[in-house]
Amino acid sequence: QAVLTQPASLSASPGASASLTCTLRSGINVGTYRIYWYQQKPGSPPQYLLRYKSDSDKQQGSGVPSRFSGSKDASANAGILLISGLQSEDEADYYCMIWHSSASVFGTGTKVTVL
Amino acid sequence: EVQLVQSGAEVKKPGESLKISCKGSGYSFTSYWIGWVRQMPGKGLEWMGIIYPGDSDTRYSPSFQGQVTISADKSISTAYLQWSSLKASDTAMYYCVRTEWELLGLGAFDIWGQGTMVTVSS
Repeated sequence: QAVLTQPASLSASPGASASLTCTLRSGINVGTYRIYWYQQKPGSPPQYLLRYKSDSDKQQGSGVPSRFSGSKDASANAGILLISGLQSEDEADYYCMIWHSSASVFGTGTKVTVL
Repeated sequence: EVQLVQSGAEVKKPGESLKISCKGSGYSFTSYWIGWVRQMPGKGLEWMGIIYPGDSDTRYSPSFQGQVTISADKSISTAYLQWSSLKASDTAMYYCVRTEWELLGLGAFDIWGQGTMVTVSS
């Protein structure tokens, strides 16, 4: 079982909100981790979006619009990336990441399609 | 401008050696960690390892330990990723990334290089 699991794909309409989940493997408590989110558009390197651990421990990447935000669902043991007011330019792959046992671990990635 | 500039694409044969580079500029190279991330064609991101150019402290993912060597030359603000004997399965895009030590540990990969495509084929 992967350390971080993301749904393979998600589709939504322009203007809608999209909620991307990053589920941590059983036994790894989401509450103790900073979760980092990255966006990768085709043919480009990933870009850092934001970090979220709690409302008092969060960081927006430089120049990242505020319609990208982070949260957690403790009951699902998951981190969440919320994209509000979806735009066509948001069509990309999204990866979550944590530092676990002194190693960086990436999620499996979610491909977001804006219909 | 803070940036990481990587060396160009490489085409190699199985068994050959290779060293690719990542040059940092616009910031204090010895104050940040440089990591390497692999992306195989059509696949996700995999962290390979990381180095602190200030003292060459190096850490590897268990998946890549012994398969690659990460090094840095702080005098020229450049980090390296090298293979002694390439395999076809090493075909991938390789990104260098910058991060720094925060209160709770290493942080975000806030700067990414443009990537170096390595193709290994007979």
